[in-house]
Amino acid sequence: DTEVTQTPKHLVMGMTNKKSLKCEQHMGHRAMYWYKQKAKKPPELMFVYSYEKLSINESVPSRFSPECPNSSLLNLHLHALQPEDSALYLCASSPTDGQGGYTEAFFGQGTRLTVV
Amino acid sequence: GQNIDQPTEMTATEGAIVQINCTYQTSGFNGLFWYQQHAGEAPTFLSYNVLDGLEEKGRFSSFLSRSKGYSYLLLKELQMKDSASYLCAVRGVNAGNNRKLIWGLGTSLAVNP
Repeated sequence: DTEVTQTPKHLVMGMTNKKSLKCEQHMGHRAMYWYKQKAKKPPELMFVYSYEKLSINESVPSRFSPECPNSSLLNLHLHALQPEDSALYLCASSPTDGQGGYTEAFFGQGTRLTVV
Repeated sequence: GQNIDQPTEMTATEGAIVQINCTYQTSGFNGLFWYQQHAGEAPTFLSYNVLDGLEEKGRFSSFLSRSKGYSYLLLKELQMKDSASYLCAVRGVNAGNNRKLIWGLGTSLAVNP
């Protein structure tokens, strides 16, 4: 299994809603990531989890809350989002090299989020 | 500062060869990645170079010169399905950014019949 699976594929939510994005991988990767991507822009790193611990938070607003329940799952909890948060949210995973680095990232297909 | 430059757009003909260049200036270097991304889809890994030279993988090859801060992705026997955005990304070497890729803005390649 070389896939990173994200659900849902599409999500429309109001500014007062609470929703969660889910990501799952069964490749034994111990590094998992959340990225945000706007149209015609490269992916923008949000969070990195290494061995189920949050290792990087790229100054993301608190209305985005990540969670890593175990080594295979990564969630992104959303609350009180703004229309400008509409984007493609990508999950990725990678094997670590034992020195805090990684060799490549496998991306999920993403969740297309629209905030209305 | 950290900077990755690649052309914004390129056009090529089906069956031809195209070379997409990437130059970088980063604080440390520990590998360069190329990804392909079709519109509305996730990036897919194409290649990884950490040593100088050419890495060949089927129709795709990637070259790296660390002394020049330069890489290229070579696509041979172009097919219509190769129309996509090609993203160059560099991994830094410092502990603070070792888990983080620095991305170029991508090159949008259009393959015409």
